[in-house]
Amino acid sequence: DIQMTQSPSSVSASVGDTVTITCRASQTIYSYLNWYQQKVGKAPKLLIYAASSLESGVPSRFSGSGSGTDFTLTIRNLQPEDFASYYCQQSFRIPRSFGQGTKLEIK
Amino acid sequence: EVQLVESGGALIKPGGSLRLSCAVSGLTFSNVWMTWVRQAPGKGLEWVGRIKSNSDGGTIEYGAPVKGRFTISRDDPENTLYLQMNSLKTEDTAVYFCVTGSGYDYQYDFWGQGTLVTVS
Repeated sequence: DIQMTQSPSSVSASVGDTVTITCRASQTIYSYLNWYQQKVGKAPKLLIYAASSLESGVPSRFSGSGSGTDFTLTIRNLQPEDFASYYCQQSFRIPRSFGQGTKLEIK
Repeated sequence: EVQLVESGGALIKPGGSLRLSCAVSGLTFSNVWMTWVRQAPGKGLEWVGRIKSNSDGGTIEYGAPVKGRFTISRDDPENTLYLQMNSLKTEDTAVYFCVTGSGYDYQYDFWGQGTLVTVS
């Protein structure tokens, strides 16, 4: 099975900051990597698919990069509504797997 | 508008059984692969399993923690996905989400609101 490891587990930042979250796969997953945002009590929401493609309707301050085993989610000019948890997920092999999550908190 | 609505969550004793349902509208259900994802209280997301469309063979895959205890099925005329859960354990306590993508399961574009299963 493919293990997904995110870092950091939590991060504090201020409105207007830039934050980067990393995700590492235990083996190559090419570009089969997605990013989700989850707010408390809500279902996750797809932000980025295929490592770097922005889902329709998602603000352009979100961007994804990487391939192989190492990936990043960057959020520029943080807005109050961006404070949430973020998960990476591989879609290369079954069973699909998620990272453990990164909680983005307001400083 | 695509809608996924789960139901059937409950408080159940260890060893018991429960069936969850997910009613889907706004897309051609018979064409899409469907997935269950769960989230234990305060924890991360865990992939439970997936069922392909019948036109793609209807193959079902499960994650290791539920394999042999859970069964995923679909009723295409009723646009409904099911998760039959047997031999429930306390560690199965979670919110269960019904999920799908635009056809296959390379990304999860659409999520239900989730239904809570408590095994205690």
